[in-house]
Amino acid sequence: NAGVTQTPKFRILKIGQSMTLQCAQDMNHNYMYWYRQDPGMGLKLIYYSVGAGITDKGEVPNGYNVSRSTTEDFPLRLELAAPSQTSVYFCASSYRQQNSPLHFGNGTRLTVT
Amino acid sequence: AQKITQTQPGMFVQEKEAVTLDCTYDTSDPSYGLFWYKQPSSGEMIFLIYQGSYDQQNATEGRYSLNFQKARKSANLVISASQLGDSAMYFCAIGVFGTSYGKLTFGQGTILTVHP
Repeated sequence: NAGVTQTPKFRILKIGQSMTLQCAQDMNHNYMYWYRQDPGMGLKLIYYSVGAGITDKGEVPNGYNVSRSTTEDFPLRLELAAPSQTSVYFCASSYRQQNSPLHFGNGTRLTVT
Repeated sequence: AQKITQTQPGMFVQEKEAVTLDCTYDTSDPSYGLFWYKQPSSGEMIFLIYQGSYDQQNATEGRYSLNFQKARKSANLVISASQLGDSAMYFCAIGVFGTSYGKLTFGQGTILTVHP
């Protein structure tokens, strides 16, 4: 099993450009999440989804959009990139049970200049 | 809202010795879980150990144990017999269940350096 796969691994964007970060999981998890990690900091939740067609905002959703048309995929869209969005982005998934840990992808390092 | 506080920005330990990484939490929900993750310099997030709020015993996973003191709202990670490969950032996180859908709130992390 591949687990959680994120693409791309690295990306440099110019201010105002847009891009989509891809995330796919093959564990048939119901729940999926997008977190961002700023340098030297913990992770903050951007958006999450509890199943196909259902998404909701996390702690820091401004400047981002998500969709979930299938159980496997949960892309994150950045519109009008800003330097404040320079960060490492992690996608994660989990089972729908209390003690289920999050399974993380390897992250996407995004720089906006 | 939930909150995790990790007060040790950095910790140092000699190889083969034990080390404790501190974590305190705040939540008003009686049903929650505490997680510890390791992030090596390569950047991936590795799940280490879980403790549920109703668990009677402290969780253990190999060299990792969680010192859970519910009344003090602390969930410290103990790593026994430290190895050079334990050098990494360590994050404590809390999940409140029910309508929170498994979302985790993370602390700011502790950088652990293991000296030979």
